[in-house]
Amino acid sequence: DAKTTQPNSMESNEEEPVHLPCNHSTISGTDYIHWYRQLPSQGPEYVIHGLTSNVNNRMASLAIAEDRKSSTLILHRATLRDAAVYYCILRDSDGTSYGKLTFGQGTILTVHP
Amino acid sequence: AAGVIQSPRHLIKEKRETATLKCYPIPRHDTVYWYQQGPGQDPQFLISFYEKMQSDKGSIPDRFSAQQFSDYHSELNMSSLELGDSALYFCASSLGSGSYEQYFGPGTRLTVT
Repeated sequence: DAKTTQPNSMESNEEEPVHLPCNHSTISGTDYIHWYRQLPSQGPEYVIHGLTSNVNNRMASLAIAEDRKSSTLILHRATLRDAAVYYCILRDSDGTSYGKLTFGQGTILTVHP
Repeated sequence: AAGVIQSPRHLIKEKRETATLKCYPIPRHDTVYWYQQGPGQDPQFLISFYEKMQSDKGSIPDRFSAQQFSDYHSELNMSSLELGDSALYFCASSLGSGSYEQYFGPGTRLTVT
């Protein structure tokens, strides 16, 4: 599996935007970029995913570099509930399946009131 | 909306005992994944099933076995328990192996003494 690199931790203030970076210089053409997060004492939760184009959903936005070697998860207005470990995960797709999630070291996001 | 159900939520066993963890996927979901998360570690993939057949296998010890039943629920059987098996065990489900989103249960916390 291609490897991702994320900062160990980041801090933000409530109601401010947060940009969580992820480097994946060895990404292959069929790798999708997925983001999951894990709130304290809970199972991981899907956030967003993309292939080449920037993506938006109700939770966040995903900005993907043109060369696809890096991406940034954007939380537009952080809330205390967004404090979690954020995982950037590459998943290969053969068009029919994505398969397992390979969690690496994620980013611990702390949100200050 | 219905979520993934895991039982029991907490389990305490002694070394060399056996344990059975159960997972009930979201209705209509036909794919189940098992993950193990040790203290202070990231989740690690163990095994997955699609339509009652094993679809992928990760770092699952030979002492562990799992299966998916006709009603799509899954059970993880763990024998000859070791202290190092103490962890959170998460089950996730998805609709088809091609689904990009996995829905995680609340986890079973296994403590081996």
